[in-house]
Amino acid sequence: QKEVEQDPGPLSVPEGAIVSLNCTYSNSAFQYFMWYRQYSRKGPELLMYTYSSGNKEDGRFTAQVDKSSKYISLFIRDSQPSDSATYLCAMSDGGGTSYGKLTFGQGTILTVHP
Amino acid sequence: EADIYQTPRYLVIGTGKKITLECSQTMGHDKMYWYQQDPGMELHLIHYSYGVNSTEKGDLSSESTVSRIRTEHFPLTLESARPSHTSQYLCASAGLGTDTQYFGPGTRLTVL
Repeated sequence: QKEVEQDPGPLSVPEGAIVSLNCTYSNSAFQYFMWYRQYSRKGPELLMYTYSSGNKEDGRFTAQVDKSSKYISLFIRDSQPSDSATYLCAMSDGGGTSYGKLTFGQGTILTVHP
Repeated sequence: EADIYQTPRYLVIGTGKKITLECSQTMGHDKMYWYQQDPGMELHLIHYSYGVNSTEKGDLSSESTVSRIRTEHFPLTLESARPSHTSQYLCASAGLGTDTQYFGPGTRLTVL
C-alpha cells in the first residue's frame, strides 16, 4: 500500500463548480503538506503549503488538513478552464528520517469545461 | 516566483550518446532534487543533494549520475543513452529549514 493515496480521476466539472481534491496518508510523522499544480508538459508549481492541522485560504483555493484522520483536501471555488491541470498532493515529516524528501500522491487530472 | 532553470527543454538523441541535463537555481537553496516522470505518471525521485559535494540516490534506481560542485548547479549525466531513458526529467530545489520544493520546467528526453 502506498504511503499517500490520491484519487487519480479524471475529474471533469463545469466552469464555476466547486472542486474537491483529496489525499489520504498512512505516515503519522507527516507534518508539512503541499499542493502542486502541473500543466501538461510543465514542471509542478507550488499552490498551497500548510503545516499541521487546520485550514489555509488563498484566493479561490482552500487547503484543509485533518491529521487525526490522515486526510488532506484542496478546494477550488468558482473553477475556471485555466484550472484544468493535474493536481499533486505532497507531504513530508519536516526533516526527520526523510531528510527533506517529499512523498507525492499519484496526481488527480482535473478538466474544467466552459 | 521560483528561479530554477533547466536546459535543454527538449532533447532528441540517438542510442549510445552521452548527455548532460543542466539544472541551475538562483535562490541559494542547499537542497536539490532530480525526478523522473513518464506522461500521466507519478514523480519518482532519482537523485538528491543537501549541499556541495553531497549526492544521494533516490527511491527509483537510475543509471544516471549527478554532481554538485557549486551550490546553484546540479547537472545530471547519462553516459550511454538508451530508449528506456526516454522520459521527462524534473529538477527541484528547497532551502534549509523547509521541505517546500520549487520545480524547474523540465527536460523532455527522447532516445531513439
